[in-house]
Parts: sequence; structure tokens; C-alpha cells
Amino acid sequence: SAVISQKPSRDICQRGTSLTIQCQVDSQVTMMFWYRQQPGQSLTLIATANQGSEATYESGFVIDKFPISRPNLTFSTLTVSNMSPEDSSIYLCSGDRDSNYGYTFGSGTRLTVV
Amino acid sequence: LAKTTQPISMDSYEGQEVNITCSHNNIATNDYITWYQQFPSQGPRFIIQGYKTKVTNEVASLFIPADRKSSTLSLPRVSLSDTAVYYCLVGLPRDYKLSFGAGTTVTVRA
Repeated sequence: SAVISQKPSRDICQRGTSLTIQCQVDSQVTMMFWYRQQPGQSLTLIATANQGSEATYESGFVIDKFPISRPNLTFSTLTVSNMSPEDSSIYLCSGDRDSNYGYTFGSGTRLTVV
Repeated sequence: LAKTTQPISMDSYEGQEVNITCSHNNIATNDYITWYQQFPSQGPRFIIQGYKTKVTNEVASLFIPADRKSSTLSLPRVSLSDTAVYYCLVGLPRDYKLSFGAGTTVTVRA
């Protein structure tokens, strides 16, 4: 199955600033996904990213707040813009499905906004 | 996407078998059942997937009754390192939009 490298693993940011999270996959994947996970909670899908097209956002998430790039089949970024303490969470990316091994996830970015 | 219900938490001891049952009464004909495992500070990891009857791999077994309205993940002879959150998901094999429920926190004690 694919391996996804996600960085940074954690960051502490000032409110009002932006943070860009990167995910690099070791093989080409058709689609990538971005999730948010509050501590002790389950995962919530933010958006789906295809190469060459605009990301598709889930209800409650907007492009201005969470712009996503997908320049090629092995890379994607998620930016958390104009951060507030409410954005403190774990952000995870996920890659395309291998029919035998399910979806692959990055290890997550733990974001704290102060 | 079919809604799933699973216990919030389960406790076990090393060497025991842990069985986690997931209810999915509204499962559709073409839906598969997939289980993921998540350790603290890591992303979820695929464990096993099945459509009906029984599926076994090196990590776990998945039992699915004929009506497919529930499924049971079986972890044989657990160790402390099996302490994690386990998620049951139901959906089409090529449905990329995973819907994670609350999951089951399994705590294995010495």
C-alpha cells in the first residue's frame, strides 16, 4: 500500500496566521482527502482533492478557510487560514484506495493555535 | 452511507480474544464492511474488509452474518500494543468518502 509523509507533525501558531500542511505520497494516487480530528473525537472529512480540479468541500468547510492544492498525483497541501483557537485540532491526509489495503493515512499534524 | 453503531469502549487483558460488534442495519446490497485501527498520534490504519461470511488475515478476523446487519471484528490474543481505537465503516468499495463513526476504544491491560 502507499506510504504518505505528512508535515509538519505538529505546530503552535499565533491566531490570525496561516499554516500549510503538506502530504507526499510515495506512489501516484487518484484522489486525496483531508480530515480534521479533534482530540478524543472521530475524523471529519474536510475536502476531497483531485489533480487538476478544484477541491470538493464538505458541509461546514469552505475554500477561503481551507484552501487545498493538488498539483500532481503524489502531492497535496491544506492551508488553515486566519487561524483561531477553534482551529486547534489534528489534521490528516489520506490517499487513494488500494483495493487490498484500504486507504492510507498520513500520521497527522497536531495544530495548536494560541 | 449506512450508519454504524459500535461500543464506545472495551477493556481486555493480554492474551485474551477481543470481539467488537458493529451494527449497520441499513447496509446496502453492494456495501462492504471495513475496519480501521488508530493508535494515538497516528492516522488510521486499514485492518480488514469483508462482504459476507468470514474473512481472516494476519491481524484479525471479520465475521459477517447472512443478513449483514452487523459484523464482528475479532482480535485474537491481544497484547498491550493492540490498545487503540477501532472504527467500523460501511460503504461501497470504490466510495472514497470514508465516514468515520465514534469508534471503539480498546484498552488492553497486563
